[in-house]
Formats: sequence, structure tokens, C-alpha cells
Amino acid sequence: AQTVTQSQPEMSVQEAETVTLSCTYDTSESDYYLFWYKQPPSRQMILVIRQEAYKQQNATENRFSVNFQKAAKSFSLKISDSQLGDAAMYFCAYRSTGTASKLTFGTGTRLQVTL
Amino acid sequence: GAGVSQTPSNKVTEKGKYVELRCDPISGHTALYWYRQSLGQGPEFLIYFQGTGAADDSGLPNDRFFAVRPEGSVSTLKIQRTERGDSAVYLCASSSQGGLGYEQYFGPGTRLTVT
Repeated sequence: AQTVTQSQPEMSVQEAETVTLSCTYDTSESDYYLFWYKQPPSRQMILVIRQEAYKQQNATENRFSVNFQKAAKSFSLKISDSQLGDAAMYFCAYRSTGTASKLTFGTGTRLQVTL
Repeated sequence: GAGVSQTPSNKVTEKGKYVELRCDPISGHTALYWYRQSLGQGPEFLIYFQGTGAADDSGLPNDRFFAVRPEGSVSTLKIQRTERGDSAVYLCASSSQGGLGYEQYFGPGTRLTVT
């Protein structure tokens, strides 16, 4: 079974600064997707960025980028120019190629953004 | 509606009672997922529907939990003889198809509290 580990329960960043959230995963599969989701207090999971395992190039979405190290099974999220609206829980997730293509989530990192 | 909706938003019930949680997916989405998010944890997969059938129910914790999707759109998660350990946020997600490349869109969840 796949597992996803987020070792940082909480992180803090000043507005306009850069922060990196860590994620490692364990799998024996070669084909999979990785995701970062944001969950604000409204509870709704919002997709931030995704990475296909077969792509060597790291995904980027505006201020959000990832560092995908397939051999090390590491998938970190970098948020540049942090904004107050970035404050939320961030979940790393793995999605497999099985019938359900279900998501397996980590335990999350709470990001605080300070002035 | 434009997104996935879930009702009720919050549900408080007494131990031993029966509850039903409803999910309205995005119109036309054939794949539907239920996840459970306990306090301080990431969401955990419960069940996946492709159309009307449960294609993967491996995440249901025990036989007190059951879900249906009779017409391939709205789904109901049913919990019998509720226990305090069932208290969690129940998230529903839908995607246009069930494969790896199709994004899952989440609803705002139902917070279930068993007293």
C-alpha cells in the first residue's frame, strides 16, 4: 500500500517570503500522480498543483512550484511571494493507477502567513 | 450547480442512531468518491462509484457503513448504529471519469458529530 508522509505539522512564513513544504511517499508503482491540495477553514479541498510521475520537469503554477525527486520519493511544494490568502492546511496526495484511482493523503501541514 | 454540493453541512446525532449524508456531484460526472477526514488527519478513501455501481468499497471501515448511487448521480452515505469514533468530516468528490488523469473536484463536506 502507498503511504504519504508530511513531517511538518506547522509552518510559518512572512508575507512576500518563500516557504517550502515537505512530502515523502512510498510506492512500488512506476506510474502515478502527485498532488498538493489546499484546505481553508471552509473545508473544501482545492487543487494547487499536480505532477505526473513520468514527467521529469517540475510542475509550476504561478507562485507555486514543486521539487519532484522520483528516486528519493520526495515531492516538496514551494510557495513564492506568500500572501495572507495562502494560510491554510496543505495536503500532499498520491494517486495510483488502480481501478478507483483513489487519492492517498498525508496528515497535512498548517501554514501560517504573518505580516 | 457549478460544483459538488453536500448536505447537511453539519449533523449532530446520538450514539446508536442512523444517519444519511448526501452528495450531489457535478452534472455529468460519472465517477464519485467518498472520503472521511478525522480531526488532525488527511482524508481517507472510503468508496468509489463508477456510474451506479460501487467499483471499489475497500475503504469502508465495517458493515455499518453503506453507500448507494441508484441513478448514477446523487449518492448517499449511510451509517448505522453510529459510534463516537464515526465523528469526522465526510468529503465527497466527483470527476468526469475515474481514470488517473481526471481531476477530482471536492465538495465542502459534512461534519458529523456523534454524541
